[in-house]
Amino acid sequence: GQQLNQSPQSMFIQEGEDVSMNCTSSSIFNTWLWYKQDPGEGPVLLIALYKAGELTSNGRLTAQFGITRKDSFLNISASIPSDVGIYFCAGRQGAQKLVFGQGTRLTINP
Amino acid sequence: DGGITQSPKYLFRKEGQNVTLSCEQNLNHDAMYWYRQDPGQGLRLIYYSQIVNDFQKGDIAEGYSVSREKKESFPLTVTSAQKNPTAFYLCASSMAGGRNTEAFFGQGTRLTVV
Repeated sequence: GQQLNQSPQSMFIQEGEDVSMNCTSSSIFNTWLWYKQDPGEGPVLLIALYKAGELTSNGRLTAQFGITRKDSFLNISASIPSDVGIYFCAGRQGAQKLVFGQGTRLTINP
Repeated sequence: DGGITQSPKYLFRKEGQNVTLSCEQNLNHDAMYWYRQDPGQGLRLIYYSQIVNDFQKGDIAEGYSVSREKKESFPLTVTSAQKNPTAFYLCASSMAGGRNTEAFFGQGTRLTVV
């Protein structure tokens, strides 16, 4: 099936550092979504993007819909221990099903 | 509260048995999805449905079956034909097409074959 390339696959950072991750696709999407998953739980929606170039923030999180419509970025500023988890990007073309990236596993050293 | 509910949270199955996982939503969403997640892995689409009485196979449909008799419900049956069913199963729902098509997930069901 169609895949999104999400990177990095894992990150090990110090508390207080900023985090950046991204997703790229060979196809154009008209929706980009970013989720966070805690262990043993379902993913929770963080940010939704619907317009090329759109930059949206949710607290310390900021996500951008790439101008080419083939990529998206998520930044986390001043990381804290509760930011630990797996972050997933997801994209959609029109009414098509959502396609998910493979996830970025974030680990924070206190 | 509006939301999507999966049950049970944990499920144990003997080899050779079929088992059905429940997914119910009261968000009035048209589309519903089932994903499988293996340890340390991403989400793989099993089946999805964009309207009642219609559903399509995802990327890993073999050994699974679904039904969509009601808008609110999208149960997943893991059949004995599924060779490696132990996994974390996630159900999601969304509006179908257009804007505001965020997908919302349930809490997941962890299935273990014993």
